[in-house]
Parts: sequence; structure tokens; C-alpha cells
Amino acid sequence: DAGVIQSPRHEVTEMGQEVTLRCKPISGHDYLFWYRQTMMRGLELLIYFNNNVPIDDSGMPEDRFSAKMPNASFSTLKIQPSEPRDSAVYFCASSRTGGAKNIQYFGAGTRLSVL
Amino acid sequence: KNEVEQSPQNLTAQEGEFITINCSYSVGISALHWLQQHPGGGIVSLFMLSSGKKKHGRLIATINIQEKHSSLHITASHPRDSAVYICAVREDGGSQGNLIFGKGTKLSVKP
Repeated sequence: DAGVIQSPRHEVTEMGQEVTLRCKPISGHDYLFWYRQTMMRGLELLIYFNNNVPIDDSGMPEDRFSAKMPNASFSTLKIQPSEPRDSAVYFCASSRTGGAKNIQYFGAGTRLSVL
Repeated sequence: KNEVEQSPQNLTAQEGEFITINCSYSVGISALHWLQQHPGGGIVSLFMLSSGKKKHGRLIATINIQEKHSSLHITASHPRDSAVYICAVREDGGSQGNLIFGKGTKLSVKP
């Protein structure tokens, strides 16, 4: 199994630009999570999906952030327009109901820098 | 408010030392996770606990539900154990998504 795949690994953009982060969960997993990690706040849950349906997006900081999961094998996190304070590492994780005690498997992350 | 507190924030040890990282939480939980974040950034799940103790190689995790406290121990530490160790709890009644994370403990093991 290839694990959770995120792209790109690094993204550098200018303030005001649209940024799209991508995630491919592990095949067969029915939960997908988007996290943000910063030095100040540590890891924070932004949104999670179950069977492609958003369940809890209360962690999404502003309307500038949106996430979609059009099918079981793909999700995007979009920031439009981006701001310097959005600079962080964004992780995607997936898990399977009843599997391995609900352990979440993390992708390698996307390091976003907004200049 | 910090519902999950880890201590210490930073820890430096000599190779071979026994290491303990602590996690205290203030909410009722159904499970507690220990994660390891490598210097390159990748995150790996080490343990999920709901009671008692688990052991995997040189790593031991314990939890005391009554005291709302968990510890992660590393025996015979090695420089490759250098990483950030993160404690996360799932609240009682929470679904898979409701993980609350500690800020992490940065461990450096010197040769």
C-alpha cells in the first residue's frame, strides 16, 4: 500500500493567490482528515469526511478555506485568497472504521509558504 | 485553554538513557494516541490506548484513566529516537475526527 499521498510537498505562493492542496487516502479507508500544523498552535483539525461527506468543518479558520472530496480516492483543500498567516504544514490523514483501533495514517504533508 | 498538556516541551538525553514523556488531559476520553513526528515532518502513529499499558519494542505507553494521565517511555534511547512526540485524545462520545492534540515534546538523543 502506498500510504496517504499528498501533493505538492512544498508550495510557495504570493499573498492573494489561490492554493490547492491534494490528498489521496489509503484505498478502503472511509475517513479523511485535513490538519494544519504551526509552531504556535501545533496540530489542528480543520475538517474531516466520512464516506466523502464533510462531517465537521468547525476547524476551518475562515471562508477562505474550503475542502472537497468528490470521490473516495481524492480530496482537495483550497485557500482563496491565501494570506501569509496561512503558512503552515498541512497534513492529510485517513482511517478505516473498525480498523486497527481507528488509527489514523498521515501523509507526508504539504509545506505552504505564503509570501 | 489547553485540554492536552505535555511535559517536558523539550528533552535532551544521552544515548542509552531511559526517557519518559508525560501527557495530562482535562476531558473525558475514549482513547489516547501517541504519535511520532520525524525531523523530516512525517507523522507515524505509535500507540492507541484506552487502558493499561502497551509495549512495542523499546517503546512503552501507559495510561491512568482515573488520573487522566499517560506516559510514553523509551528504554535504551538511541539518536534515531530523536523526534517530536505528540499526545492526542479522543473525547468521550467523540467520533473519529474529534482528536485533541498536545503541543508535542521535542526529544533529542545525543550519541
